[in-house]
Amino acid sequence: EVQLVESGGGLVQPGGSLRLSCEASGFTFSAHAMSWVRQAPGKGLEWVSAISARDESTDYADSVKGRFTISRDNSKNTLYLQMNSLRAEDTAIYYCARDLYAGNENDCFDSWGQGTLITVSS
Amino acid sequence: DIQMTQSPSTLSASVGDTITITCRASQSLSSWLAWYQQKPDKAPKLLMYKASDLASGVPSRFSGSGSGTEFTLTISSLQPEDFATYYCQEYNSHLRVTFGPGTKVDLK
Repeated sequence: EVQLVESGGGLVQPGGSLRLSCEASGFTFSAHAMSWVRQAPGKGLEWVSAISARDESTDYADSVKGRFTISRDNSKNTLYLQMNSLRAEDTAIYYCARDLYAGNENDCFDSWGQGTLITVSS
Repeated sequence: DIQMTQSPSTLSASVGDTITITCRASQSLSSWLAWYQQKPDKAPKLLMYKASDLASGVPSRFSGSGSGTEFTLTISSLQPEDFATYYCQEYNSHLRVTFGPGTKVDLK
């Protein structure tokens, strides 16, 4: 069974930093591109960042470019999101999500974690 | 960047109804369009991919159609568990995706 478990969320002050982790199990992690998607309270889904299976390529939403860094450790089956210079508008539930097909780099997401809440507030 | 719109934003329906949600893209997606269902306090669930392919375990009352810039999600014989918010998502680009704003289906 595919499982994605996020951790690292919490309350952080504006300008602060946080690192999210997403531990994967039940599939060949190194074969799938992965993404982070967020959802502000009462709002829709916003794609944040994605990374290719072998870590050669990354992409970011304009709203986080230059502040967030996505990475992965295929030996640990773990996806990361380093978030710096956090703003109130970054407050959201952050989900990690797996690409449907191994080897694809334009794909939809067939598995999602339960999400971790980030609150940016003083 | 590709822009996605959905209509309606809210849809009121009754159990047994057939409903249709429309998703439009600002440029052609071919068939690289997915639909998700999200219930309160839950992660999204993949319903359809490649515009009209049913995801694993999804009931056959869900169907998708369209290509290019206009797509539809149809739910036939709406069931109580189908009241939720539905999002379309384009995945036409390398790594980058865009979600539609969502359509909330609630009880009339």
